[in-house]
Amino acid sequence: AQTVTQSQPEMSVQEAETVTLSCTYDTSESDYYLFWYKQPPSRQMILVIRQEAYKQQNATENRFSVNFQKAAKSFSLKISDSQLGDAAMYFCASDAGGTSYGKLTFGQGTILTVHP
Amino acid sequence: NAGVTQTPKFQVLKTGQSMTLQCAQDMNHEYMSWYRQDPGMGLRLIHYSVGAGITDQGEVPNGYNVSRSTTEDFPLRLLSAAPSQTSVYFCASNGGTEAFFGQGTRLTVV
Repeated sequence: AQTVTQSQPEMSVQEAETVTLSCTYDTSESDYYLFWYKQPPSRQMILVIRQEAYKQQNATENRFSVNFQKAAKSFSLKISDSQLGDAAMYFCASDAGGTSYGKLTFGQGTILTVHP
Repeated sequence: NAGVTQTPKFQVLKTGQSMTLQCAQDMNHEYMSWYRQDPGMGLRLIHYSVGAGITDQGEVPNGYNVSRSTTEDFPLRLLSAAPSQTSVYFCASNGGTEAFFGQGTRLTVV
């Protein structure tokens, strides 16, 4: 079974600054996928970034990047040049792949507040 | 392209009532799933399907039934609602790269 842990229930950042959200996971699979999802007050789940475990290079999407430490089973999200629109709940999630592909395991979530 | 359509958005039930949450996707995805979101617990998998006629239980399946008669539709049934089923429910479909989520249903059981 997979587990995903987000140890920061809440984080805050000043507009234009950088913030890092932490995530650790545990899995016995060798080929898996990791995700960060954003959930604004509208409740919609929005994919922020995706990382395949077999890729050593950290994924990047514009102002969003990850620090994927496979041996440490750590998957943190860095948001650069934070904007007011980044304020939301952020979920880290894993997909075991293989015969369990499509079954996501989520962390508890981190509420991000962006101060103007 | 509508993506994943989930209805209703809000629902209030009395204890013991039954209802069906509808989920439809138009992306021809094989994988579909239902999650519930509770405060402090993230999203948890209720039921899962890898294609028409094939379903499997997730982490919290008790009190819920599913069936998948077509690729497009994956309804979630509550046979006898209980206050513990008060939650926000999400349907998702996955075509091989990422999961696409419906807008969610806020269900309150009184």
